[in-house]
Amino acid sequence: GGIITQTPKFLIGQEGQKLTLKCQQNFNHDTMYWYRQDSGKGLRLIYYSITENDLQKGDLSEGYDASREKKSSFSLTVTSAQKNEMAVFLCASSMGGLPNERLFFGHGTKLSVL
Amino acid sequence: EQQVQQSPASLVLQEGENAELQCSFSIFTNQVQWFYQRPGGRLVSLLYNPSGTKQSGRLTSTTVIKERRSSLHISSSQITDSGTYLCAMESDQGGRALIFGTGTTVSVSP
Repeated sequence: GGIITQTPKFLIGQEGQKLTLKCQQNFNHDTMYWYRQDSGKGLRLIYYSITENDLQKGDLSEGYDASREKKSSFSLTVTSAQKNEMAVFLCASSMGGLPNERLFFGHGTKLSVL
Repeated sequence: EQQVQQSPASLVLQEGENAELQCSFSIFTNQVQWFYQRPGGRLVSLLYNPSGTKQSGRLTSTTVIKERRSSLHISSSQITDSGTYLCAMESDQGGRALIFGTGTTVSVSP
């Protein structure tokens, strides 16, 4: 079996700071995703990538950058952290080009901004 | 805006009771997945069910595409079933993104 590893598990930042979250998967999956999970709002898609060096914007991409330099890794950058922001960022991956593939998730990175 | 609505928002069960969770979609979709998240745990895919009925253990999902809805039935609930259940549909924007509902929080007590 494979695993998705997100680092760090907890991230505390300052307002205006640029913060980077990392995600690694060893499933050899093609597609990777970043979702943001806020209490009461479900998961919202930030970015996804269907292959190395590909980036596709989700509904919540403003304020974020992403990078897929290797098939196994997908990083997300919060370009300017917002004061009192608190959310969990979830990385996920799926196998291939069809939309019926099951998604596998990491444990998440919990962000708090002071 | 594409939306996924889930009901109820929360559910309290006594161990052994059955439960029915509902999901409705704002668009026609050909991909529906159900996920489970234990508090503090990772999201786990339970069932992929684009249409008809699918079963996995004590979980049964029924999706009726033309009515834009899906349900998840939990039979003989156990304490370990406690957590949040989310359903998701494929976005009509193309690509492979899923749009999630806000979840149903299930609490099973002895």
